[in-house]
Amino acid sequence: GENVEQHPSTLSVQEGDSAVIKCTYSDSASNYFPWYKQELGKGPQLIIDIRSNVGEKKDQRIAVTLNKTAKHFSLHITETQPEDSAVYFCASGGSYIPTFGRGTSLIVHP
Amino acid sequence: DAGVTQSPTHLIKTRGQQVTLRCSPKSGHDTVSWYQQALGQGPQFIFQYYEEEERQRGNFPDRFSGHQFPNYSSELNVNALLLGDSALYLCASSLAGDGYTFGSGTRLTVV
Repeated sequence: GENVEQHPSTLSVQEGDSAVIKCTYSDSASNYFPWYKQELGKGPQLIIDIRSNVGEKKDQRIAVTLNKTAKHFSLHITETQPEDSAVYFCASGGSYIPTFGRGTSLIVHP
Repeated sequence: DAGVTQSPTHLIKTRGQQVTLRCSPKSGHDTVSWYQQALGQGPQFIFQYYEEEERQRGNFPDRFSGHQFPNYSSELNVNALLLGDSALYLCASSLAGDGYTFGSGTRLTVV
């Protein structure tokens, strides 16, 4: 089955800095790559996703890049704010059933 | 527009007991997936229901079963509870499998 590796497990940045989270996947048939943000006591919330026919997608301060040849994709958050502090999960899947990474705890210091 | 609703929010059960968790999908969604999230881990796929049938299943034993009703709501049942079943159980709904919306989960503690 699909295997998703996510790094780093913890990321600490100063407010206003950029944050980058990287993931690799194993199944070359995977065609859907969502990113989720999970705040304490809540379920994961979809923040951005990308499909295999696209190399990059942006939504305000958030961007995702995909390299299908290398089987890796990344989340970029610019101008980080304290409210960006949360656990972020990447996921990969075919047939829209995503396999999740282990998560990155992002801490943004004011 | 109500999102995904899960009940109960917290539950404590004893080893060997059975538990039923419930999920109401987001309005307009027809597919329900269940995930188990252990502390500090990513969600693990249990199974997905579509048109009242289990469409796909992850690597979970038969003690985990489910059901989807005609109104698209769903139940997750776990029999013969083990201590290792303690986790956050997440329900996610989608339309034709596209763009999951997660509920806030049910925190199950087995003692």
